[in-house]
Amino acid sequence: DAKTTQPNSMESNEEEPVHLPCNHSTISGTDYIHWYRQLPSQGPEYVIHGLTSNVNNRMASLAIAEDRKSSTLILHRATLRDAAVYYCILRDQGGSEKLVFGKGTKLTVNP
Amino acid sequence: GAGVSQTPSNKVTEKGKYVELRCDPISGHTALYWYRQSLGQGPEFLIYFQGTGAADDSGLPNDRFFAVRPEGSVSTLKIQRTERGDSAVYLCASSQSSQVGPQHFGDGTRLSIL
Repeated sequence: DAKTTQPNSMESNEEEPVHLPCNHSTISGTDYIHWYRQLPSQGPEYVIHGLTSNVNNRMASLAIAEDRKSSTLILHRATLRDAAVYYCILRDQGGSEKLVFGKGTKLTVNP
Repeated sequence: GAGVSQTPSNKVTEKGKYVELRCDPISGHTALYWYRQSLGQGPEFLIYFQGTGAADDSGLPNDRFFAVRPEGSVSTLKIQRTERGDSAVYLCASSQSSQVGPQHFGDGTRLSIL
């Protein structure tokens, strides 16, 4: 599985937008970009995934660069409940089922 | 709710003992995964079941670790002769067996080996 690079930590204020970056310069054409988040003392939670086009769901938006070498998870209005570790993961469409987690980005949301 | 259920939520045992960790996946999910997570790290893959069979067990660290899923639903992760280094949170996830579909995680079993 191709590797992703994320900042170790980020901070945001409540009710402001948050942009969480992820670099994946070695992404292959069949790799999907997945985002999960993990709240304290809980298991990871699926957030969103995409291949080439930008994606929106009730939790977040995923903006994918045209060359696919980077992507950004966007939380439109951060709440205190969004404080978590966010993981960016590549999954090959035809490859292993397993998720390969890095250390992720720890997001702190200030009231 | 009908999420992934893991029991026990906490397990404390002595070095050298045998432990079993249970996972009840979401009903109808054919794929089941085990991960373990050490403090400050992301989850690390252990084993993946498709139905009753282990499709990928490449993450099991050694032969003290074994997992079963005899009826294609509930799974048990078994650890023999536990060591202090086995202390971690053991996470279970299930999915509808789509290779790009989401995995749904339980809240894990926190295993502490004294």
